[in-house]
Amino acid sequence: DVKVTQSSRYLVKRTGEKVFLECVQDMDHENMFWYRQDPGLGLRLIYFSYDVKMKEKGDIPEGYSVSREKKERFSLILESASTNQTSMYLCASSFVSQETQYFGPGTRLLVL
Amino acid sequence: QKEVEQDPGPLSVPEGAIVSLNCTYSNSAFQYFMWYRQYSRKGPELLMYTYSSGNKEDGRFTAQVDKSSKYISLFIRDSQPSDSATYLCAMSEPGTYKYIFGTGTRLKVLA
Repeated sequence: DVKVTQSSRYLVKRTGEKVFLECVQDMDHENMFWYRQDPGLGLRLIYFSYDVKMKEKGDIPEGYSVSREKKERFSLILESASTNQTSMYLCASSFVSQETQYFGPGTRLLVL
Repeated sequence: QKEVEQDPGPLSVPEGAIVSLNCTYSNSAFQYFMWYRQYSRKGPELLMYTYSSGNKEDGRFTAQVDKSSKYISLFIRDSQPSDSATYLCAMSEPGTYKYIFGTGTRLKVLA
C-alpha cells in the first residue's frame, strides 16, 4: 500500500511565524506535490517536484517555498505566515510514468 | 468558465439508492480521469482511475467517461452510510503532471 504521511494533523501558528510542513512517502515516487484545499475553491496546486532538488511553481506559489533534499521527503515552508494561509494542506505523490496521485491525510493549519 | 465543473451538493439519498455523481469539463485534451473520496478532515483517497473513454467497474462503483460530451460520472450502487463523503473528480492531459480538480460533491447516505 502506498503511504504518504504528513508531519502534523493540526497546527496553530501566529502571523509572521515561519511554518514548516513536512511530507514523506514510502513508495519511491519521483513526483511530489503540495496543494491547499479551501471550501468552494477545491484543490489548488502550490508547488510540484519531479526529482530531488527540482521544483516547479503551481498555480498559487506566492508566500510559499519548498525543499526536496531527499527523494522521499518534500517540505512546504511558509516564510511569514499570514491569516489568509489558514487552510487544509495536502501532500501527494506519484510515479512519473503513472497518472494517479496518492494523498496524505492533510494538515489543517490555523494562522492567528 | 472553470475547466472542470462539479455540483457541490449536498446530495442526500436513502441507504440502498443508486447514486450518480458527475463532472463536466471543457478541455478536450484530458485523457486521464480520476475519482477520489474524501472523508471529513481526511486526505482524498483514490477510488477509480480511467484512461480515455468507456466504463470501469470496481465492486459497487462504476466510472463512466463520455469524451464526446466532455462528461464523466461515478455511479454508486447499493449506497451505504459509510459512503457519506465528498467525492472529487480530477483529470489530466498526457505528458503533464498537473491535475485539474472539481470542487467536490458532498454526499450523505441516510440510514
